[in-house]
Amino acid sequence: DSGVTQTPKHLITATGQRVTLRCSPRSGDLSVYWYQQSLDQGLQFLIQYYNGEERAKGNILERFSAQQFPDLHSELNLSSLELGDSALYFCASSPTPGQAYEQYFGPGTRLTVT
Amino acid sequence: LAKTTQPISMDSYEGQEVNITCSHNNIATNDYITWYQQFPSQGPRFIIQGYKTKVTNEVASLFIPADRKSSTLSLPRVSLSDTAVYYCLVEDKLSFGAGTTVTVRA
Repeated sequence: DSGVTQTPKHLITATGQRVTLRCSPRSGDLSVYWYQQSLDQGLQFLIQYYNGEERAKGNILERFSAQQFPDLHSELNLSSLELGDSALYFCASSPTPGQAYEQYFGPGTRLTVT
Repeated sequence: LAKTTQPISMDSYEGQEVNITCSHNNIATNDYITWYQQFPSQGPRFIIQGYKTKVTNEVASLFIPADRKSSTLSLPRVSLSDTAVYYCLVEDKLSFGAGTTVTVRA
């Protein structure tokens, strides 16, 4: 158990809909990362937050947005969903944004868009 | 951005040593090299991290030559449970890429 929690574990929704994925980082970790992993593909970095502020953006679509709240949990919002958005979405946390610190990954949320 | 190149797959047998080499020709001076392991439908798990020379922990060893343009993850005496995808990562938020699928056979 990494200490990172993600809810829900599974989500099935229809095209065009909007969903919110939630992540609670490890106790004491200030930095949160979001990744997308489609079938048979590697992890694609989406976005990073540090202590409530956006720190880095990766391959995140304009239909996707995220935020980190004062209690440090984070939410990833996916809107106007398309079939291609079906994937595993992982959240990870680390004490600080620096790469000297390992990332702890949550169990992921499996999103299925039908 | 530093880019990494790893073999797509490797096969091994139980009890053997597995060495996975990652190329990162454009590594920056302050970049660390980190390796993660991922099982199907699970989040990646940190294995080892290094900056230069050799690092060893209870799970693996990481060899980094002086020019730091590559690194080798060494898994001693693998077992069936070591079958997984292994990712080499430079920088803390780069996409992990496809990784190396290691298959250990009995």
